[in-house]
Parts: sequence; C-alpha cells; structure tokens
Amino acid sequence: DIQMTQSPSAMSASVGDRVTITCRASQGISNYLAWFQQRPGKAPKRLIYAASSLQSGVPSRFSGSGSGTEFTLTISSLQPEDFATYYCLQHNSYPITFGQGTRLEIK
Amino acid sequence: EVQLVDSGGGLVQPGGSLRLSCAASGFTFSNFWMSWVRQAPGKGLEWVANIKHDGSETYSVDSVKGRFTISRDNAKTSLYLQMNSLRAEDTAVYYCARGRDLNSWGQGTLVTVSS
Repeated sequence: DIQMTQSPSAMSASVGDRVTITCRASQGISNYLAWFQQRPGKAPKRLIYAASSLQSGVPSRFSGSGSGTEFTLTISSLQPEDFATYYCLQHNSYPITFGQGTRLEIK
Repeated sequence: EVQLVDSGGGLVQPGGSLRLSCAASGFTFSNFWMSWVRQAPGKGLEWVANIKHDGSETYSVDSVKGRFTISRDNAKTSLYLQMNSLRAEDTAVYYCARGRDLNSWGQGTLVTVSS
C-alpha cells in the first residue's frame, strides 16, 4: 500500500498568512494527487486535482505543486473561511489512500 | 449541477447488515467511476471501494473485503453499498463520491454499529 504522510498534522496561522502543507508518498504516484478541504460537519470538497490543477470555482489563492513523491498545497493569503482540515489523496494505485489530515486553526 | 444524495444509514447491531444508497443527478452517471469513502467519528478519511462505469470492475480496501459489496444501477443512476457482518469499527459517516479522484461528494450518511 502507498502511505501518504502529511505535515504538519496541525498548525495555527493568522488571516493573511501564507501557508504550505506537504504530502509525501511512500512511492512514486506521478501526478495522481488531489487535495481536499473539510469544514466541521461537512463533506470534503476537492480543491486541487492532478497535483496542480485548480478545481473550478475554487479561489486562486489555493495552489498545488509536485510530482512523484512530494507534493505541496499552498494558500497564498489565508481567509477566515480557510480554517479547516486538509487532506491529500493518491489514486495512482489500489488501495486508494488519504493522508492523515492537517488541521489549520486560527492563531 | 452535480448532486449526490446518500441515504440508508442507521443503527445496527454487530453482525448485522445495512444497504447504503446514493442517488445521482446532474451528470451522465454511466460515464463515471463511483466511490464510497468513510470517516469514523473524529478521525480522517478512508477510501472504502469503487466501481467502474459499467460495473465490470470493483476494488475495495482489505478491511471490508468479503463483507461489503459495491454495486450500481445505471438505469436508476444509483450507487449502492451492501454492508454485511458489520463491526463496531465500521461506525462512520459514509460518503459516495464521483470518480476515482472523488471530484464531487454526497452529504454523507451515518452508520452506527452498536449493541
């Protein structure tokens, strides 16, 4: 199985900050990587697909990069609605696996 | 607009069965792989299973193999998850999602396995 390791597991930041979350795959997954945002009590929402493509309707302050085994999600200027939990997902091979999540909290 | 509506959750005793449904609309259902994902209370997301457009291929996580069966009815634009031999550790919110890359999600349905 491919293990997806996110870092950090939790972080606090302020409105306007630039934030980067990292996801490392235990083996190469090409660009079969997506990022999701989940607010409390809500279904996850896809932000980024194919490692760096922005989902339609998602603000441009979100961006993704990487290929192979290391990937990043960057939020260029945090907004109040961005405080949530973020997950990466690999769908290169079965079983499909998620990272453990990164909880982003208000400082 | 893509819409996925999950239903069928509830309270079931250990060893019992439950069938989840996902009603899809707003897209050509028969063109897409479909998936189930679950989230135990306070925990992260776990992919459960997926099924090809025509139902000819299915895949699932090891922990549910032999107990859960994913299926679909393209004429009814619906996805199903038959869950048998349920265990306490299957307690979770279950979401259906479109595609292998989970590009759209249902609202989820809660399954509680407890005596």
